Amino acid sequence: IAGITQAPTSQILAAGRRMTLRCTQDMRHNAMYWYRQDLGLGLRLIHYSNTAGTTGKGEVPDGYSVSRANTDDFPLTLASAVPSQTSVYFCASSEGQGGYDEQFFGPGTRLTVL
Amino acid sequence: GQNIDQPTEMTATEGAIVQINCTYQTSGFNGLFWYQQHAGEAPTFLSYNVLDGLEEKGRFSSFLSRSKGYSYLLLKELQMKDSASYLCAACSNDYKLSFGAGTTVTVRA
Repeated sequence: IAGITQAPTSQILAAGRRMTLRCTQDMRHNAMYWYRQDLGLGLRLIHYSNTAGTTGKGEVPDGYSVSRANTDDFPLTLASAVPSQTSVYFCASSEGQGGYDEQFFGPGTRLTVL
Repeated sequence: GQNIDQPTEMTATEGAIVQINCTYQTSGFNGLFWYQQHAGEAPTFLSYNVLDGLEEKGRFSSFLSRSKGYSYLLLKELQMKDSASYLCAACSNDYKLSFGAGTTVTVRA
């Protein structure tokens, strides 16, 4: 592994199903983030974690949950998917907790909820 | 809330110069980022400005005016590979990034 990886690459999901998007980084970065990207809206922060064991809510947290059991992994869970959660999801990490640190992005997960 | 504005699209000719403007309003300010995103790929870091002035990095330069809430990204000697979306992002006082919707730059031969 080099950098930050996400799985799956893409997924089609029935509404009401539970889904976990996986994110792993091998850079030993402290902070990790989940964004969704929708056409015309840009990247919006869903949840973040400044360090292992802590998480916080971003701009659009409703319907999503996260955990940060260790430094490397930061999964995003949709408890009961709805069509409005159709989007491209990007995980990112940065060395420090400050927003002035460069964020490194994973390749993204394209999720379609029908 | 945060407000980040940038043009939706720009078109330029190979070898030319293009300037992408960005205005921002945030709760506090801890710097302005520019990211490049090719279609279907992840964003990648281009530049960070926290002090007023121009930062030059090869063919790309970024400018910041804190008093005006304004930044621009200057792309010089445009190449076909520069066709991409360019994302402006402001860091607010809670150290989180707010992104603009992105500017799609198309470079024509």
